Amino acid sequence: GENVEQHPSTLSVQEGDSAVIKCTYSDSASNYFPWYKQELGKGPQLIIDIRSNVGEKKDQRIAVTLNKTAKHFSLHITETQPEDSAVYFCATEGDTGNQFYFGTGTSLTVIP
Amino acid sequence: DTGVSQDPRHKITKRGQNVTFRCDPISEHNRLYWYRQTLGQGPEFLTYFQNEAQLEKSRLLSDRFSAERPKGSFSTLEIQRTEQGDSAMYLCASSPSGYTQYFGPGTRLTVL
Repeated sequence: GENVEQHPSTLSVQEGDSAVIKCTYSDSASNYFPWYKQELGKGPQLIIDIRSNVGEKKDQRIAVTLNKTAKHFSLHITETQPEDSAVYFCATEGDTGNQFYFGTGTSLTVIP
Repeated sequence: DTGVSQDPRHKITKRGQNVTFRCDPISEHNRLYWYRQTLGQGPEFLTYFQNEAQLEKSRLLSDRFSAERPKGSFSTLEIQRTEQGDSAMYLCASSPSGYTQYFGPGTRLTVL
């Protein structure tokens, strides 16, 4: 199956600074790369996604970049706010398109 | 609230007992997924339904686990002869397209 590695596992930033989380994957056939935010006691919530036909996508303070050749993609959060504190997961689809493989998560803490 | 509901939210059971969880997806979503999440890990894919058809199961899924989605609406996940290693959060997600997934709040299972 797909192998998704996510780094770092924990990240602390000062409010207003940027945060970057990186993921690598193994299956070159993967074409869809979502990022999820999970708050305590809740299910993951999609925050942004990218498909393999584009290299970058931005939505306000959040952006995702994709390098298919190197098989890695990154989440960028600018002007971080305390409410950005949560666990973030990257994911990719498996070879059938019906399975999704998640990274091990990054616990982001934004210090006011 | 994503519109996906799960019941119960918490379940404590003794080893060897059977348990059943229910997921109610967003009504117009024909795709439904079950995941298992343990502490400090990302969601792990268990199985996928398109309408009432179970199209994919994780190769790692024990035969003690079974899932159904009668009439393509709600779904149930049953675990027979529970073991302590089954303790986890069980997440359900639905999708209209096979891409964006909307997760429920999860059912936390504790096996004593």
